Amino acid sequence: DAGVTQSPTHLIKTRGQHVTLRCSPISGHKSVSWYQQVLGQGPQFIFQYYEKEERGRGNFPDRFSARQFPNYSSELNVNALLLGDSALYLCASSSGTSANTGELFFGEGSRLTVL
Amino acid sequence: GQSLEQPSEVTAVEGAIVQINCTYQTSGFYGLSWYQQHDGGAPTFLSYNALDGLEETGRFSSFLSRSDSYGYLLLQELQMKDSASYFCAVSSGSARQLTFGSGTQLTVLP
Repeated sequence: DAGVTQSPTHLIKTRGQHVTLRCSPISGHKSVSWYQQVLGQGPQFIFQYYEKEERGRGNFPDRFSARQFPNYSSELNVNALLLGDSALYLCASSSGTSANTGELFFGEGSRLTVL
Repeated sequence: GQSLEQPSEVTAVEGAIVQINCTYQTSGFYGLSWYQQHDGGAPTFLSYNALDGLEETGRFSSFLSRSDSYGYLLLQELQMKDSASYFCAVSSGSARQLTFGSGTQLTVLP
């Protein structure tokens, strides 16, 4: 079975541009979460979606937005990129059961560099 | 808000036992998870404690004391492949979202 897949794996943008990151969860998982991981730090929670509805939002500016599609895949959009947005963006999926056990299944991430 | 504290670095030798501590402050606490992340890789789930006590999974064990807002990950019979970053994370809020600590870099020496 395929794990969580993310695309693109690496990308370079310039300040002011926008970016769209994509995530496909594990088959059967209905919840997708997005995390930002800056080098040397732990992942920081951005959004959680379940059944296409936003269930949680972290402390990120409105430049960050996301959505979940009927097939449970998800997109993270970041507008007006800043240098500080350079990070590894991780997508994680969970089933209802695994969410109750603190278990998330992470993808390999999309490494964004903003120049 | 939530905050977690864990040591930034730990070094041990192959075959040894190492304990990584984690203290936390949070509201709406559901449980404490532990994740392993190798350089450039995805975090992978190791264990979860919702109730006080010790959970054992092979060479890894995890402990939680809710009254002390404290937990630890115990790694036994260390192997070189255990060199990685280890994160504790609290599950809280209506979405049971995970808030991660800054991570502990474990180096296993031969």
